[in-house]
Amino acid sequence: QVQLQQSGPGLVKPSQTLSLTCAISGDSVSSNSGAWNWIRQSPSRGLECLGRTYYRSKWYNAYALSVKSRVSFIPDTSKNQFSLQLNSVTPEDTAIYYCVREVSGGNRKWGQGTLVTVSS
Amino acid sequence: QTVVTQEPSFSVSPGGTVTLTCGLSSGSVSTSHYPSWYQQIPGQAPRTLIYNTNIRSSGVPDRFSGSILGNKAALTITWAQADDECDYYCALYLVGDIWVFGGGTKLTVL
Repeated sequence: QVQLQQSGPGLVKPSQTLSLTCAISGDSVSSNSGAWNWIRQSPSRGLECLGRTYYRSKWYNAYALSVKSRVSFIPDTSKNQFSLQLNSVTPEDTAIYYCVREVSGGNRKWGQGTLVTVSS
Repeated sequence: QTVVTQEPSFSVSPGGTVTLTCGLSSGSVSTSHYPSWYQQIPGQAPRTLIYNTNIRSSGVPDRFSGSILGNKAALTITWAQADDECDYYCALYLVGDIWVFGGGTKLTVL
């Protein structure tokens, strides 16, 4: 059974970089059938898929337009995990961040979520 | 930018049937959007109910079903129960290899 364990700070200062990591067990980050999402949720923006990374003979990344210039997803095959980096954060980036495994057209397994607050 | 639309709220009587919908601000929803549905109890992470239009996720009761109705995706709940009262979200796969979620429907069972 797939398990996703998130880690990272819950408080980030404005203009700094938000970094979260998702450790995967029960599947491989370089699986040819899965994709890995970061999805966030806030009262003002609802559920927002920040993007997805997946491996199909090579790595592919797709990012939401709203964060495309500031976001990176970084897979680490040696540790079987993937990370989120979101640069130049503002209070608008305050949200619960979920790492999510996606297979078969929208079948998602969600991590436990991490509340990240952007504040000085 | 394309917006995914859902009813903000809906109510159903216990034992009744309700159909929630998921549309696009521009165009029709089809199976190529791989409509998926998620249930979220307050304070918890969402869980998958339906994916790829009409496939139930493991452990989801057959009271929940997905379909395309007209130009929208639909989630139908039959024999509604008190613990079905929570938030429901749909997501669609759009151009640019990205998924977009709807704003969610708050379902009341009373």
